[in-house]
Order: sequence, then C-alpha cells, then structure tokens
Amino acid sequence: QSVLTQPPSASGTPGHRVTISCSGSNSNIGINTVNWYQQFPGTAPKLLIHSTDKRPAGVPDRFSGSKSGTSASLAISGLQSEDEADYYCAAWDDSLDGYVFGTGTKVTVL
Amino acid sequence: QVQLQESGPGLVKPSETLSLTCTVSGGSINSHYWNWIRQPPGKGLEWIGYISDSGTSKYNSSLQSRVTISVETSKTQFSLDLKSVTAADTAVYYCARGVSYVVGTVRFFDYWGQGALVTVS
Repeated sequence: QSVLTQPPSASGTPGHRVTISCSGSNSNIGINTVNWYQQFPGTAPKLLIHSTDKRPAGVPDRFSGSKSGTSASLAISGLQSEDEADYYCAAWDDSLDGYVFGTGTKVTVL
Repeated sequence: QVQLQESGPGLVKPSETLSLTCTVSGGSINSHYWNWIRQPPGKGLEWIGYISDSGTSKYNSSLQSRVTISVETSKTQFSLDLKSVTAADTAVYYCARGVSYVVGTVRFFDYWGQGALVTVS
C-alpha cells in the first residue's frame, strides 16, 4: 500500500499545462525532498526531478517540481505527445525508515 | 556512463527463494547505495531495500523477514534473495543506484537496470 497518494490519471492537449499532485505526510514529504520518475510502458523508470525541484541533465525545462507542506506537484508545461507516460512521486519516509513511492499517475495527451 | 543489468531465473516455484544479481559497469560500486525495487504487472513501484559498499543494508519493513541483499565489490555485483515466495511476489525486479545526502537514507535513484520479470508459479 503506497504511502504517497497521486491521482490515477491526468490529461491535456498539446501545448497546454498539466499538473500532478502527490500527497504525503510529515514523515516523508513534510520533512524530506521529493523526487519524480517518468516511466514508459515496458521500460525502467527514469529520474525526472530530484531534490523537489532539480532537473537532471537532459530533462527539458518543461518539467518542474515544487512542494508545500506535505504535498508536492509536478508540472508539465507545453505538453507534448511524447510526455504520455506514467509518473511517480517518491521520497524517504523517516517513520518507516524506507523509501516510498506514490501510487502513480498516467498522463494522456489528448 | 553507469549501467546496471539484472540477471537470474525468470520462473520460481512457490515457497522457494527468488535470487537475482545486478552487475554494475561503467562506474565504481564503492560508493552510493545499491537498491532493489519491484513492480507487479500493471501496478506501482515498491522499494525492497538497499546495501552500501560497506555492507550496511536496510529493507522495506513489509519484506524484511524474507529479504537479504548482499554485495560483492570485487565483482561489482550485488544480489537479492527473497525467500518463501508466493504469487504475490511476481513482478519486474529493478536494480538501481541510490544517491544519498544523509547517511542511511536514499534521496533518489539516478541509474536503473532494464528490469527482470520474475514469475512465481
């Protein structure tokens, strides 16, 4: 059972902005940084955002992350067809003393 | 460029032990935390645990009684043993490199293997 809650799906038309939420608690998002992973069908997840708002080299600046309190968000601006994928938030949980993932959000480009 | 590759049996019988190995190339295993993560078909990601190059390990509390992760630095490999498996352990198993900013915790995974499907049947 995932500790971090995400909406199952999100969608938008090309060029528009999509935001995915991630709800946690004081022991994970509230106290630690948040990371986001992008996963295409049949492939391994890829690090998209780390340390809440940092993009690894090669990740387009259309992707941005933020957090407030015990919730975090991933925004995709200028949505493109190749952004259709599953997105997972994740963070270390101090109470569980382990790494936790969100439930995952499937993004569809209409 | 760091690369990780999982290897091991794709089919395991119920009640037996699932064993996988991750081979790391293009970088040293003598730093970072080395992790196993799994994903049941059509479901989300679950962290299994990690081991450091010094042999320190930490496991998901829900699996702790059945999991052992070990490291062989001379071979740049680390391994997963999951005992007493059931059909619920059927999943794609990923190995991944964990980056740590605070000792004992993982901040994020920057390199992943391609994944190995293990079916318990």
